[in-house]
Amino acid sequence: DAKTTQPNSMESNEEEPVHLPCNHSTISGTDYIHWYRQLPSQGPEYVIHGLTSNVNNRMASLAIAEDRKSSTLILHRATLRDAAVYYCIETGGTSYGKLTFGQGTILTVHP
Amino acid sequence: SAVISQKPSRDICQRGTSLTIQCQVDSQVTMMFWYRQQPGQSLTLIATANQGSEATYESGFVIDKFPISRPNLTFSTLTVSNMSPEDSSIYLCSVDRQLLWGYTFGSGTRLTVV
Repeated sequence: DAKTTQPNSMESNEEEPVHLPCNHSTISGTDYIHWYRQLPSQGPEYVIHGLTSNVNNRMASLAIAEDRKSSTLILHRATLRDAAVYYCIETGGTSYGKLTFGQGTILTVHP
Repeated sequence: SAVISQKPSRDICQRGTSLTIQCQVDSQVTMMFWYRQQPGQSLTLIATANQGSEATYESGFVIDKFPISRPNLTFSTLTVSNMSPEDSSIYLCSVDRQLLWGYTFGSGTRLTVV
């Protein structure tokens, strides 16, 4: 079973920021938090990952709580192309390669 | 980042038959992963395929139903055997991104069993 919990769905307007939350209250000290997204009719796509510090890349930012029990994926300006299912996943250590996908958050972006 | 070519992209098959799905990577990778995504559901790992050894299957998946080959470091196949309508799913292969974090996924094979 997935060890993370996410809201089933969220909505946003185009060009507005989106904050996608994830709870991972049982995360171990060595597990990373990964985010993937799956656009319609495509395989999942890596978005970002982090361990303890906040992270930024060209796609998004990841804010990790100080206790590491939750994190938030931030899309700074949503576009229609960002409409997808977003998955938050704990991974690392002996679970190399074994991505355990939960149900994810369906993000709808309105024009 | 590795590029994955997966074939076929979709197929409609008769129950009781088998389908072999191919996954070709443009660079050598140690491990390849096969996932299943049932309609409206999330992805579930089927097995991990290492070159030169037997695939390692996750709970609920067996070699007789999902035999996997890994003849070299750039190629793998997954066969769905003796298919039933319950096998209708999207099957995806995945590899690590080689010097980058995360994993790359193929675009999947959409299988419908009638």
